[in-house]
Order: sequence, then structure tokens, then C-alpha cells
Amino acid sequence: DAGVIQSPRHEVTEMGQEVTLRCKPISGHDYLFWYRQTMMRGLELLIYFNNNVPIDDSGMPEDRFSAKMPNASFSTLKIQPSEPRDSAVYFCASSSGDMGGQPQHFGDGTRLSIL
Amino acid sequence: KQEVTQIPAALSVPEGENLVLNCSFTDSAIYNLQWFRQDPGKGLTSLLLIQSSQREQTSGRLNASLDKSSGRSTLYIAASQPGDSATYLCAVNTGFQKLVFGTGTRLLVSP
Repeated sequence: DAGVIQSPRHEVTEMGQEVTLRCKPISGHDYLFWYRQTMMRGLELLIYFNNNVPIDDSGMPEDRFSAKMPNASFSTLKIQPSEPRDSAVYFCASSSGDMGGQPQHFGDGTRLSIL
Repeated sequence: KQEVTQIPAALSVPEGENLVLNCSFTDSAIYNLQWFRQDPGKGLTSLLLIQSSQREQTSGRLNASLDKSSGRSTLYIAASQPGDSATYLCAVNTGFQKLVFGTGTRLLVSP
């Protein structure tokens, strides 16, 4: 079974540009998570969805960040406009079941560099 | 606010040693605790998940314990191998699938 698939694996872009990160969760999983990892702050939950509906976006740093899940097999995280401090590794994860009884499965991440 | 701390931040051991990684959390109201492994340039791989009602979980050479009342968990690795070299992260589930991660322990096992 394929794991969580993220694209692109690496993204380098200039400040002010729009960045779109993509994620395909594991088939059958009804939870999808977006995380950001930096040296300074570690791993932080940005937003998560249940059955394609955003449940908690309290971790989204600013209005420049937005996330969508138009269907059960696809999600995007968008940054517009991007800034150098957005440089980080962004992970998508998925899981099944309520209350976190099942482990979360992570993709390999997108390494984002904003120049 | 839940805070998760891992000690030590880095650990270097020779192959074959048994070792213990520590994780502590400030709020005992958790649903479960997970241990993950992260290899350089890769995502996280779930190793063990301990429900709040459980005391320990075992998988092969790995054993994780949970003492919810004292806010502590340990990951025991038996007979370490060079392939165990990675960063190990613990994460507590504060409810409704929200994970709070520790800062990680970077493990190096030398041949």
C-alpha cells in the first residue's frame, strides 16, 4: 500500500511568490494533518482535517497560510505571499479512527526554501 | 499548555549496547503517546503507540513504557545496531488527534 505522498520534495522560490504544497493521504484514512518542522521550533501542527473538513487551524501562523482538502485523496497547503521565515520542512500525515487511537503516517516532506 | 521534553538531546553509543531514551510531558491528561523515528531527509516513522490505559508496548528490540501520573515515558532499545542511528521523537496526543512533539534525541550507534 502506498504511503502518504507529498510533492514537490524540494521547492526554492523567491520572496513574495506563491507556494503550493500537495499531499495525497493513505487511502481510507479520514484524518489529514499538515506540520512544519524547523530547527528552532521543532515539529508544529499547522492544521488538520477530518473527512475533508478543517477541524483545527489554530497552528496556522498567519493569514498568508491557507489549506484545502477538496476530496478524500488530495490536500494543498498554500503560502501567499511567501517570506524567508517560511523556510522549513513541511510534512503531511494521515491516520484513521477517532481520538487518535491509531498512529499517524507521515510523508517524506517538502523542503521549502524562500530566498 | 502541554510541553514535551526529551533527554538527552544527543547520544552516541557503540554497537550492541542497550540504551534508554527519555520523554517527559507536563500535562498528564493525554490519550496516548507515540514514539517516532526520523531518518535524515525523511518523514517520521511510527515505532510504538501506547494508549493512556497501557503501561508498555513492545516491538522487536524496542520497548516503550508510560507512566502517565508522573508524566514520563521511556524508549528502551536492546542490542543497538548502526541501523538504529536516527532521531527519535516522542509525541503526546492531547485529544482529537492533536500531537505535541518533543524536541527529539539524535542517536548515533557506531560499529
